[in-house]
Amino acid sequence: KAGVTQTPRYLIKTRGQQVTLSCSPISGHRSVSWYQQTPGQGLQFLFEYFSETQRNKGNFPGRFSGRQFSNSRSEMNVSTLELGDSALYLCASTSDGYSGNTIYFGEGSWLTVV
Amino acid sequence: AQSVTQLGSHVSVSEGALVLLRCNYSSSVPPYLFWYVQYPNQGLQLLLKYTTGATLVKGINGFEAEFKKSETSFHLTKPSAHMSDAAEYFCAVSGIGAGGTSYGKLTFGQGTILTVHP
Repeated sequence: KAGVTQTPRYLIKTRGQQVTLSCSPISGHRSVSWYQQTPGQGLQFLFEYFSETQRNKGNFPGRFSGRQFSNSRSEMNVSTLELGDSALYLCASTSDGYSGNTIYFGEGSWLTVV
Repeated sequence: AQSVTQLGSHVSVSEGALVLLRCNYSSSVPPYLFWYVQYPNQGLQLLLKYTTGATLVKGINGFEAEFKKSETSFHLTKPSAHMSDAAEYFCAVSGIGAGGTSYGKLTFGQGTILTVHP
């Protein structure tokens, strides 16, 4: 069965622009999470969605937002991009998001802000 | 709050040697613990996880880890390293929030880059 699919894989944006990243979870998974990975801060949790509702949120500014559609696909948006937003953004899915369930990751979207 | 500490940001071993990657966690409740591996330009792949039951957990590619509550550790081992094991390894703990779960959240250690020499 297909894994977590993220698009686009690579993108370059200019400071001040906005970006939207897309994620299709594993079939049957209803929980989708997003993570930011940078060399300095490591892997940090952004937010989690289940049944189109945000259930959990990390410590990121309001410029970072997300949504989930009825088919469980998710998007995240970063507005007013800053150089520090350059990172690998990872989407992950799990069946219901409960602690202990295996979380499966996509290959990520590499965002470079110039 | 939960946290994870991986001792050693870089570990280098010879092919065929024992691999030992160290992970200590902090948690006020019984933790769920995970090891993930990341190859260059790829996402994270689950190696193994501990939830409940047997404290010695076997994973993919010959890796195993032992949950030691008294030492708050979950070290990853492999008896004999292979060149293909060269990658970055992350230990993670599943978040616990109000109601006993923290939906979809893993707290990661800073990662350990494993280099395998021929």
